[in-house]
Amino acid sequence: EVQLVESGGGLVQPGGSLRLSCAASGFTFSSYAMHWVRQAPGKGLEYVSAISSYGGSAYYADSVKGRFTISRDNSKNTLYLQMGSLSAEDTAVYYCARPSYCSGTSCTRFFDYWGQGTLVTVSS
Amino acid sequence: EIVMTQSPAALSVSPGEGATLSCRASQSVSGNLAWYQQKPGQAPRLLIYGASTRATGIPARFSGSGSGTEFTLTISSLQSEDFAIYYCQQYNNWPPLTFGGGTKVEIK
Repeated sequence: EVQLVESGGGLVQPGGSLRLSCAASGFTFSSYAMHWVRQAPGKGLEYVSAISSYGGSAYYADSVKGRFTISRDNSKNTLYLQMGSLSAEDTAVYYCARPSYCSGTSCTRFFDYWGQGTLVTVSS
Repeated sequence: EIVMTQSPAALSVSPGEGATLSCRASQSVSGNLAWYQQKPGQAPRLLIYGASTRATGIPARFSGSGSGTEFTLTISSLQSEDFAIYYCQQYNNWPPLTFGGGTKVEIK
């Protein structure tokens, strides 16, 4: 059974940092690109970041570029999101998401598995 | 960046009735569109990809149609478990992937 379990969320002060983790199981983690999507309270879904299957390439939304770093450890089947210079606008539930299918280095870009989410609250 | 616009923002429907949700892209996304369902406190659930292909385990009462810039999600006979927020997502132009603002389907 595919499982994605996020952790690391919490309350952080403006300007602070936080590292989120997403522990994956039930599939060959190293074969899949992985993505982060966030959702501010009462709002819609916002695409945040992605990383290729072996970590060689990454993408960031303009809203987080230069402040967030996505990484992965395929030996630990874990995805990370290092977040810095946090502001109230970063307050959201952060989900990791897995593409439905990957073949070689090509993956679909819709998601059939999502974690339960971890809440990040930026407030003084 | 492709902007996805969903309408209506909210829809009141009686159980057993049908519902039609719309999603418009600011430029063509071909057939590269997905629909998700999200219930309170839960992660999104993939319903439809490729504009019209149901994901594994999705009931036949959910159907998707459209191509280019205009897409529709139809729920043929709403069950109690279908009251939720529905999002469309384009994956034709990446990066970035973009989502619509959602349509909330409420009980009438």
